[in-house]
Amino acid sequence: GAGVSQSPSNKVTEKGKDVELRCDPISGHTALYWYRQRLGQGLEFLIYFQGNSAPDKSGLPSDRFSAERTGESVSTLTIQRTQQEDSAVYLCASSLAATFHGYTFGSGTRLTVV
Amino acid sequence: AQKVTQAQTEISVVEKEDVTLDCVYETRDTTYYLFWYKQPPSGELVFLIRRISFDEQNEISGRYSWNFQKSTSSFNFTITASQVVDSAVYFCALSSNSGYALNFGKGTSLLVTP
Repeated sequence: GAGVSQSPSNKVTEKGKDVELRCDPISGHTALYWYRQRLGQGLEFLIYFQGNSAPDKSGLPSDRFSAERTGESVSTLTIQRTQQEDSAVYLCASSLAATFHGYTFGSGTRLTVV
Repeated sequence: AQKVTQAQTEISVVEKEDVTLDCVYETRDTTYYLFWYKQPPSGELVFLIRRISFDEQNEISGRYSWNFQKSTSSFNFTITASQVVDSAVYFCALSSNSGYALNFGKGTSLLVTP
């Protein structure tokens, strides 16, 4: 597609429920990234994909967080047993390769855990 | 470890004023990349500039200019003759040459009033 697409744009969930956030990168972009942005904060790196493998998962905050990517396309970030501190905007970005041309970010998914 | 500090949390200016957003970084890498991103109220991060560490030339793009000074580990961003549409949160970010994850500052919220 023309840009990075994320869905849903907003998600409200009850504490303890699982959520799935989806990212559709720009066609041809082999690298895909997930970041989290808490209110009033900068972005925290979560995970990076090169193709469908994830060389670096070090940013995932706990084992409740997982992500997968199908081929060089869609990625899903799953949060199990959501907690209130998971409330944030989850941003996805993609780039041509792991070396830098600058990412293109999606508009994010605003997750609210009540 | 890498760190980016944006000491200015919020700046408010009147239209047509010039404004400088400060960014100070820390890294032990000899080769690294610096970035600025703009996040308007819509939420989507917009890439503004990438600078590699061995290129200390300042850059001007229209009303935007960037001053990179390795001696002070700073990469400041100036908007000349600010406009209301410049109102946004601006993030400075840093990455190593061997990496892919961006380390973001906490951002500076710029409000330009008519």
